[in-house]
Amino acid sequence: TQLLEQSPQFLSIQEGENLTVYCNSSSVFSSLQWYRQEPGEGPVLLVTVVTGGEVKKLKRLTFQFGDARKDSSLHITAAQPGDTGLYLCRSNTGKLIFGQGTTLQVKP
Amino acid sequence: DAGVIQSPRHEVTEMGQEVTLRCKPISGHDYLFWYRQTMMRGLELLIYFNNNVPIDDSGMPEDRFSAKMPNASFSTLKIQPSEPRDSAVYFCASSLGLAGGYEQYFGPGTRLTVT
Repeated sequence: TQLLEQSPQFLSIQEGENLTVYCNSSSVFSSLQWYRQEPGEGPVLLVTVVTGGEVKKLKRLTFQFGDARKDSSLHITAAQPGDTGLYLCRSNTGKLIFGQGTTLQVKP
Repeated sequence: DAGVIQSPRHEVTEMGQEVTLRCKPISGHDYLFWYRQTMMRGLELLIYFNNNVPIDDSGMPEDRFSAKMPNASFSTLKIQPSEPRDSAVYFCASSLGLAGGYEQYFGPGTRLTVT
């Protein structure tokens, strides 16, 4: 059974700082998605990565897919309070599973 | 489109009562998913449908849970009888496809509290 491990589980930073969160698996992903969930709402898709080594940018967010397609990272530059939320990775290989998520709090 | 619609948004009930959660997916989406989210277990897939047919219900915790999709625009998740450990946020999501880069569109969720 594929498991998605996200780290860290919780991150509290000041506005303007940079951060990176990770999503890892012992299995190879066919593709991987990152979602953000704000309090009281459902998750919303940020990006899908498909190719090993792929890098995608969404404004201040940079997503990277590992060369072996077993891991992915999300880097946020100059975090803002609006980035606060739960960041989830989701595997599209076999069982449809989400990681436990990283809760990010950005303080003004 | 209005997005995925769920009702009610909040439900408080007593242990032993029947609870029915409702979902209207985005029109044209062939897949519908029910998830449960708790602090301890995160976001868990309970069941999903393709063209109104249940495909994988291995995530349904036990026989107290049942889900139906009588038509393409409506699905229910029923818990009977409810227990305090069922307290969670239940999400419905829909998508055009299953594999690869298909996006899942989530509803706002139903927060269930069983006392």
